[in-house]
Amino acid sequence: SYELTQPPSVSVSPGQTARITCSGDGLPKKYAFWYQQKSGQAPVLVIYEDNKRPSGIPERFSGSSSGTMATLTISGAQVEDEADYYCYSTDTSGNHRVFGGGTKLTVL
Amino acid sequence: EVRLVESGGGLVQSGGSLRLSCAASGFTFDNYRMNWVRQTPGKGLEWVSYITTSGAIYYADSVKGRFTISRDDAKNSLYLQMNSLRAEDTAMYYCARERYYDSDYGFDIWGQGTMVTVSS
Repeated sequence: SYELTQPPSVSVSPGQTARITCSGDGLPKKYAFWYQQKSGQAPVLVIYEDNKRPSGIPERFSGSSSGTMATLTISGAQVEDEADYYCYSTDTSGNHRVFGGGTKLTVL
Repeated sequence: EVRLVESGGGLVQSGGSLRLSCAASGFTFDNYRMNWVRQTPGKGLEWVSYITTSGAIYYADSVKGRFTISRDDAKNSLYLQMNSLRAEDTAMYYCARERYYDSDYGFDIWGQGTMVTVSS
């Protein structure tokens, strides 16, 4: 079955740039989406279709994708950005959805 | 307000069954694909199943043959019938709406989840 691989954790100091990667063999053909999940809350979309930001998401959140890797970048990370981040995509058939294992971002 | 509200979770013994419901409001339900996504306590998100507007259905391998997704557009509701439950099905179950962005589908609205606990 198709898998997306993320690092379990990333840690930065406030104001630094955090980068979270997501690798998957299907990413050259399929878009990556990124979801933020804070403790006890439902996920929230922060990036769609590799590099687009939904309205209401701060400009410090950006995304990119090259080859088999997608990257979520938080420029000038804030304490309130501490959360779990999940990449999401579909398999090449488009019929099976898959999440990465999640990355816990610590900002302190 | 666009809203999804799950219900039906609870404690069930291994091998038992449970039916989850998701009530949608604030949008035209039959225009959207709908999904179930689960999250084991302290762990990551796992896609479970989705149903298209025309009724096409897909399942994750981990639940295929045991779970059945359905929708009742007249009642603005999504369901998940879970049979032959196992301890590893213990999770928070979220209902999630898909919308089409510029070129692809992604989840945009999530419910708050309903907890399913399977005791062995």
